[in-house]
Amino acid sequence: QKEVEQNSGPLSVPEGAIASLNCTYSDRGSQSFFWYRQYSGKSPELIMFIYSNGDKEDGRFTAQLNKASQYVSLLIRDSQPSDSATYLCADSGYSTLTFGKGTMLLVSP
Amino acid sequence: DTAVSQTPKYLVTQMGNDKSIKCEQNLGHDTMYWYKQDSKKFLKIMFSYNNKELIINETVPNRFSPKSPDKAHLNLHINSLELGDSAVYFCASSRPGRENTEAFFGQGTRLTVV
Repeated sequence: QKEVEQNSGPLSVPEGAIASLNCTYSDRGSQSFFWYRQYSGKSPELIMFIYSNGDKEDGRFTAQLNKASQYVSLLIRDSQPSDSATYLCADSGYSTLTFGKGTMLLVSP
Repeated sequence: DTAVSQTPKYLVTQMGNDKSIKCEQNLGHDTMYWYKQDSKKFLKIMFSYNNKELIINETVPNRFSPKSPDKAHLNLHINSLELGDSAVYFCASSRPGRENTEAFFGQGTRLTVV
């Protein structure tokens, strides 16, 4: 049974700062990971996916994967109040996504 | 053009009732899912269907029965509803079951059992 662990937060950062969100996963054979953002009362929406060791950048977002440490992170540069949401890390397997419990991010103006 | 749509968005019902939630996707995906998100926001897989066939059935009471009449639809029927069934239920779909596939979510159905 795959498990994904995240700190529930909240993680509070000031506007313009870098927010760093982390997750660890249990299945050493896992290949790919997704970061979803979920606003309160809304459905999860994909921000990024990553399946290679190292960094992947998309705009203000950078995903990092370290398979040796079984660690995935998401960095949000120049954080905005509109980034305040719950961020869900997911381990992709055959016909399923296993989610962590999410980290709530609060960006204060 | 909603990609994954589920109805109803809100459902309030009494304990013991039977209810259904419908889900349809127009993305041409072969794989569909039901997830349950509890009050602590934990999103947990319930069922996964690939081309109308059940692939994953997590530890879910047998009062929950998914039905897939075709690969674009995956409905969830719940018998004898209990207070603990109150949650938000999300339908999702993705391309054929393999890794590296993004799941697209419906808007969710907030079920409240009273």
